[in-house]
Amino acid sequence: GQQVQQSPASLVLQEGENAELQCNFSSTATQLQWFYQSPGGSLVSLLSNPSGTKHTGRLTSTTVTKERRSSLHISSSQTTDSGTYLCAIDASGSFNKLTFGAGTRLAVCP
Amino acid sequence: EAAVTQSPRSKVAVTGGKVTLSCHQTNNHDYMYWYRQDTGHGLRLIHYSYVADSTEKGDIPDGYKASRPSQENFSLILELASLSQTAVYFCASSDRGGQDTQYFGPGTRLLVL
Repeated sequence: GQQVQQSPASLVLQEGENAELQCNFSSTATQLQWFYQSPGGSLVSLLSNPSGTKHTGRLTSTTVTKERRSSLHISSSQTTDSGTYLCAIDASGSFNKLTFGAGTRLAVCP
Repeated sequence: EAAVTQSPRSKVAVTGGKVTLSCHQTNNHDYMYWYRQDTGHGLRLIHYSYVADSTEKGDIPDGYKASRPSQENFSLILELASLSQTAVYFCASSDRGGQDTQYFGPGTRLLVL
């Protein structure tokens, strides 16, 4: 089945530093989403980026479809960015059936 | 912003008992999903539905049933709860399949003793 590998597993930053999160996947993806999971457990979609580069606020995602990899860049990190970042892909083409990676746990220290 | 609610928010169940988790969305989305998350892991798809009165198996459907009685409601049923089904369960919805964003509910923490 499909596999999604995220790295690093965890990351500790000082406030203001930048973060680069990686996602590699084993199947051609028709959809790729980055999610943020808060320490309390709630999930929020950050970006949908199946190919190319997308920006929103301090977040930039770059997906290279034929190399089956995506990155999420967080600039000028803040303590409120602490939590887990999940990458998810869909290879079904139509049903949006997501396969998730295990996530990168980010801690931003003041 | 899509609104997806789940009930109960947490539950303790006994092994062999029946558990029903409910999900309700208010945005007229066609697609709904049930995922489970085990501690320290990503989410895995259990069942999904793209139209009322029809459900489809996801990646890990064994031990679970699903019901979609209306566009707004999607239930996950554990007929005979087992210890291995202790997890956090998330419901999600999206307007269509394809590349539409999925919106998640707050999750239900299930502990099976």
